[in-house]
Order: sequence, then C-alpha cells, then structure tokens
Amino acid sequence: TQLLEQSPQFLSIQEGENLTVYCNSSSVFSSLQWYRQEPGEGPVLLVTVVTGGEVKKLKRLTFQFGDARKDSSLHITAAQPGDTGLYLCAGDDRGSTLGRLYFGRGTQLTVWP
Amino acid sequence: GAVVSQHPSRVICKSGTSVKIECRSLDFQATTMFWYRQFPKKSLMLMATSNEGSKATYEQGVEKDKFLINHASLTLSTLTVTSAHPEDSSFYICSAPRLAGGITDTQYFGPGTRLTVL
Repeated sequence: TQLLEQSPQFLSIQEGENLTVYCNSSSVFSSLQWYRQEPGEGPVLLVTVVTGGEVKKLKRLTFQFGDARKDSSLHITAAQPGDTGLYLCAGDDRGSTLGRLYFGRGTQLTVWP
Repeated sequence: GAVVSQHPSRVICKSGTSVKIECRSLDFQATTMFWYRQFPKKSLMLMATSNEGSKATYEQGVEKDKFLINHASLTLSTLTVTSAHPEDSSFYICSAPRLAGGITDTQYFGPGTRLTVL
C-alpha cells in the first residue's frame, strides 16, 4: 500500500501568517497533485507537479516537488481567511489502474481574521 | 472544461432503504471512475474503482454487496447503497480521470453527495 504522509493535520493561524504543508512518501510518484476542498463540495485541483525539483507558484501559494519525486510541499504566504479549507495532496504512480490517486490524510487549515 | 456531475447532491432516507447515486462525466468518456467516502474534515477514502464493461474493484474492507457499483456507460457510473443504516451516513464523492495519454492526466471530481440515513 502506498502511503502519503501529510502534515500537519490541523493548522489554525492568524491572517497574514505564513504556513507550509508537507506531503511525504517512501514511494516515487509520476505526478503529485494538490487539492483544496470546502465543506459540502468536491476537491478542486490547485496544481499538478510532475518534474523532480519542480516549483510552481499560484499567487500566494508555492508548490514544490522533491528531486526524488517522493515528497512535496505547499507554502502559503500571508494567509487570508479565504484560504481556509481542507488541503489534500494526492500522488499518481501510473500503476495498473490509470488515474488512481493515493491521498494524504489532509490538512484542515483555518485562518482567523 | 471537463466536468463531473453527481446526483443527488443530498439525500435523506430511512434505515433499510436503498439509495442510488449517479456520477456522470459531462464532456469526456471515462472507462474508469472512482468512488470515495469522506468523513468530516478527513481525507478521501477510496471505496472502489468502477470499470466500464467489467466488475468494479473494491478496496479492502468495503462490502461489495452493500455498495453496488454499475458502470453503465462510458459517461455514467452509479453507486447504490443497499439496506442503508445510519453508519452509512457520509459524504460520497466520485471522480473520473481524463486520460490524455501523457504523463499528466487530469482527475475531475464530482461535487459530492451528502447521504443521511435516519
């Protein structure tokens, strides 16, 4: 069973603070995706990282994919209350079931005004 | 862009009844769809892989006779919760990968179905 260890599980911060969420595995993934989910809705894709060492930026969000393609991080600068939500990382190993994703346990982020 | 829909978005049923949830890919064909269950503020837990033209593949611990999956066409998969009980109450989400033939395939998630069993 492939596991993605995601941490922290819960994060409660004040508006304006920075934060980092980590996603680690002993397995190599062909790609890793980050999602954000709000209550009562499906996950929404934020970014897909494919190349080892890749860094992608999405406004105040910075995503990194480890050189060995086993880990990834999400860094949010100057967090805002609108960033509140459940952040999920998911890896695709291009295994026998195409499209199957392995999810981390999620990080529930709450940003207080 | 590609969209995956789910119906219904919310359902309340009595204990012992069966509930069917539909998952549709709206502008692409999906030979495979995935069904997840999610508890509040927790991650998605894969229940089964729905395969068009063949039987679904269930994850360990998921009762296939209780959660019936039918991949009726290349754009439709259904999950039927049979003889539902209060412990089946949860948020059920489906997803469909749009396979581009390259390294990056995009996974599209449905909006979810909130099931409440009284």
